[in-house]
Amino acid sequence: DAGITQSPRHKVTETGTPVTLRCHQTENHRYMYWYRQDPGHGLRLIHYSYGVKDTDKGEVSDGYSVSRSKTEDFLLTLESATSSQTSVYFCAISTGEAARDTQYFGPGTRLTVL
Amino acid sequence: TQLLEQSPQFLSIQEGENLTVYCNSSSVFSSLQWYRQEPGEGPVLLVTVVTGGEVKKLKRLTFQFGDARKDSSLHITAAQPGDTGLYLCAGGRSGNTPLVFGKGTRLSVIA
Repeated sequence: DAGITQSPRHKVTETGTPVTLRCHQTENHRYMYWYRQDPGHGLRLIHYSYGVKDTDKGEVSDGYSVSRSKTEDFLLTLESATSSQTSVYFCAISTGEAARDTQYFGPGTRLTVL
Repeated sequence: TQLLEQSPQFLSIQEGENLTVYCNSSSVFSSLQWYRQEPGEGPVLLVTVVTGGEVKKLKRLTFQFGDARKDSSLHITAAQPGDTGLYLCAGGRSGNTPLVFGKGTRLSVIA
């Protein structure tokens, strides 16, 4: 158990509304990641963080922003949700000191945008 | 272009059968991870291999990293319904970039 929690676990929202998903880790690991998982596409990296206030884009970052003001929390924000952002979102952490190190995943958040 | 190709995409077998799934690339990886994901849950790490030619066993699961560190395989002996799930491989590259994930093999073991 890597001590990762995500909230909320399920959310239904309407197009155009802002949405923030939270990832929390119980230890002080440097690297945290946000993915989305969709049928036929697998896991796709949205953004990742390598420290407080240090973040970088992944392959599907458009329409998403992130913030990390504390080591233990990594927030993913959809400024204006669209139906194409309906997905399952996973947070992950790496216990190593490099972005390529093994990752451990949270339980996921199922987001539906109507 | 998918950096890591997994095959087959779907596999449905009877309990007790053996199976092998593959994770292939034209790129060299410094490490290769295998995960299993069950419905409604996040991926769970099964193994990490880091040395070319390395073989690791986890009960009925055998993982192999190719000699050239471009491919990997997962072999399951005497599959059980509890093995059902999505199997994902992920590779670590040189440089400080995040893991690359394959799209997965969805395995169904029928009792």
